[in-house]
Amino acid sequence: NAGVTQTPKFRILKIGQSMTLQCTQDMNHNYMYWYRQDPGMGLKLIYYSVGAGITDKGEVPNGYNVSRSTTEDFPLRLELAAPSQTSVYFCASSYPLQSGANVLTFGAGSRLTVL
Amino acid sequence: AQTVTQSQPEMSVQEAETVTLSCTYDTSENNYYLFWYKQPPSRQMILVIRQEAYKQQNATENRFSVNFQKAAKSFSLKISDSQLGDTAMYFCAFMKLEEYGNKLVFGAGTILRVKS
Repeated sequence: NAGVTQTPKFRILKIGQSMTLQCTQDMNHNYMYWYRQDPGMGLKLIYYSVGAGITDKGEVPNGYNVSRSTTEDFPLRLELAAPSQTSVYFCASSYPLQSGANVLTFGAGSRLTVL
Repeated sequence: AQTVTQSQPEMSVQEAETVTLSCTYDTSENNYYLFWYKQPPSRQMILVIRQEAYKQQNATENRFSVNFQKAAKSFSLKISDSQLGDTAMYFCAFMKLEEYGNKLVFGAGTILRVKS
């Protein structure tokens, strides 16, 4: 019962580099999300997906891209990393609210530092 | 857009005592869910308790209970018999009942320290 798995757990990037944060869930959840958490702050939604092939922007999408080719995977791509993207990133998944199961399951987080 | 406000950046409580964390939210919606999540130093987000807005009865999970005041848009968390393991950041979160995506909106969090 792995739940939501994120890799890597830690990463240091130089300004202008690119990278992909990986997220995989094994619960057959339709919905997946990427949040970022800045120091001392709550989580803010970057992107979300309601199913394979469908993605949409959240509150803070600039500087990021996502794709959802399978139900299980939802990678987050950072292009041209900037210091403002230094944060902890959380992937999460859930069933649709209408199914009555509205709880998000979170991954353990990925700490990214851009220098 | 919905907003969630947690007005207490930090709280502390003695072990075995009771503490209440505050949360207010702003919405024009009538159907929604409210949550409290706990984030210990491990960073893992753990669901503590949830409340459906259409239910008048306050949710309870063991030592954790909420005071849900829909008209006042208030959703406080009470922790009874506090334990050292309750030390964590606590987030209040709002979810609108909608067709497309169950998006959580989080407050800024309250750091709770339980002292022995």
